[in-house]
Amino acid sequence: GAGVSQSPSNKVTEKGKDVELRCDPISGHTALYWYRQSLGQGLEFLIYFQGNSAPDKSGLPSDRFSAERTGGSVSTLTIQRTQQEDSAVYLCASSSGGLWNEQFFGPGTRLTVL
Amino acid sequence: GNSVTQMEGPVTLSEEAFLTINCTYTATGYPSLFWYVQYPGEGLQLLLKATKADDKGSNKGFEATYRKETTSFHLEKGSVQVSDSAVYFCALKVGGSNYKLTFGKGTLLTVNP
Repeated sequence: GAGVSQSPSNKVTEKGKDVELRCDPISGHTALYWYRQSLGQGLEFLIYFQGNSAPDKSGLPSDRFSAERTGGSVSTLTIQRTQQEDSAVYLCASSSGGLWNEQFFGPGTRLTVL
Repeated sequence: GNSVTQMEGPVTLSEEAFLTINCTYTATGYPSLFWYVQYPGEGLQLLLKATKADDKGSNKGFEATYRKETTSFHLEKGSVQVSDSAVYFCALKVGGSNYKLTFGKGTLLTVNP
């Protein structure tokens, strides 16, 4: 079956513009995560969706970042008024939920803010 | 809070050399521990895991033992290959309202023929 897919694979934008990053999780996976991988910072948790529960947004770095998950499947991460420090690889992962279940990662979207 | 500290790279070895990548953690609660690997141009993949103290995770010749007394989960391989060249991430996960992974900063391994 298909894995986690993300689009676009690369995005170059100008400072101040808004961007949307998309994640298609593995079919049937109820849990979806966004992480950010930036130079010198490693991998940081951003946001978590589980079923119909309210998302855990505790990792979002500022109110310029938001995410939604429609119909319990596809998710979109939106960054408004992008800044150069937002440049990173944004990774999406999905799992069937629970402490013991593996998170499967997508290939990521490389965002470059000029 | 939860955190993972792993040895900073880059690590450069010759083929068939012994590999150790150190990883220590702090956690509120009782974590599960993981090693993830990111090969060049590919996504992050789970390499191995251990869910309780003294468990040994193993895969593809790599091993790591969950040591609660030293809060460590060091990655080892007896004889590395060129194809093992990748970035390795140590991570933990604890139960609670979510199951997010907390990662170390990653260690770049380069294996030369």
